[in-house]
Amino acid sequence: QVQLVESGGGVVQPGGSLRLSCAASGFTFSSYGMHWVRQAPGKGLEWVAFIRYDGSNKYYADSVKGRFTISRDNSKNTLYLQMNSLRAEDTAVYYCAMAAAAGGWGQGTLVTVSS
Amino acid sequence: DIQMTQSPSSLSASVGDRVTITCRASQGISNYLAWFQQKPGKAPKSLIYAASSLQSGVPSKFSGSGSGTDFTLTISSLQPEDFATYYCQQYNSYPHSFGQGTKLEIK
Repeated sequence: QVQLVESGGGVVQPGGSLRLSCAASGFTFSSYGMHWVRQAPGKGLEWVAFIRYDGSNKYYADSVKGRFTISRDNSKNTLYLQMNSLRAEDTAVYYCAMAAAAGGWGQGTLVTVSS
Repeated sequence: DIQMTQSPSSLSASVGDRVTITCRASQGISNYLAWFQQKPGKAPKSLIYAASSLQSGVPSKFSGSGSGTDFTLTISSLQPEDFATYYCQQYNSYPHSFGQGTKLEIK
């Protein structure tokens, strides 16, 4: 069965960096595009970034463009989100998710940006 | 960018009721529309993709319809476990925007 497990969240100061990971199992990771989606405390879902199955194309929300980088290592079945120049408004639970038709989501990892 | 608008934002219903949630796109998205259910403190769960296709394991009490700009999620015979927040998302073009959510509460 599909399993997605995020890690790497924590508390970071404004301007700092963090790298999130999403370990995938139970499916052929290299065949699926993958997303990062976030949810600020008490707010709705916000799409963050997408990477195609082979890493050939990447797309970002305007709110993170130029600061966040999505990547993947298909040999390790792992998705990444490198987050630089973090701001208070980046505070959220970050989820990795499979492309829409596949449907799997991770349990999320909390990122808190605070001094 | 495509804006997704859900209505209503909140909805009170009773066990056994049938409810419908609407999602409208600011421009046509064909059938590239997904629905998710989220319970407090939990990750979202995929219910429907391609506007009307049920994800594996999702009960048939959930159904979706629509194409173009107007979509609906219908839940029949509400049970206590169905009370949650529901989100639509378009994946026709980037950014893959979500609706603001519809909170379904017990009356």
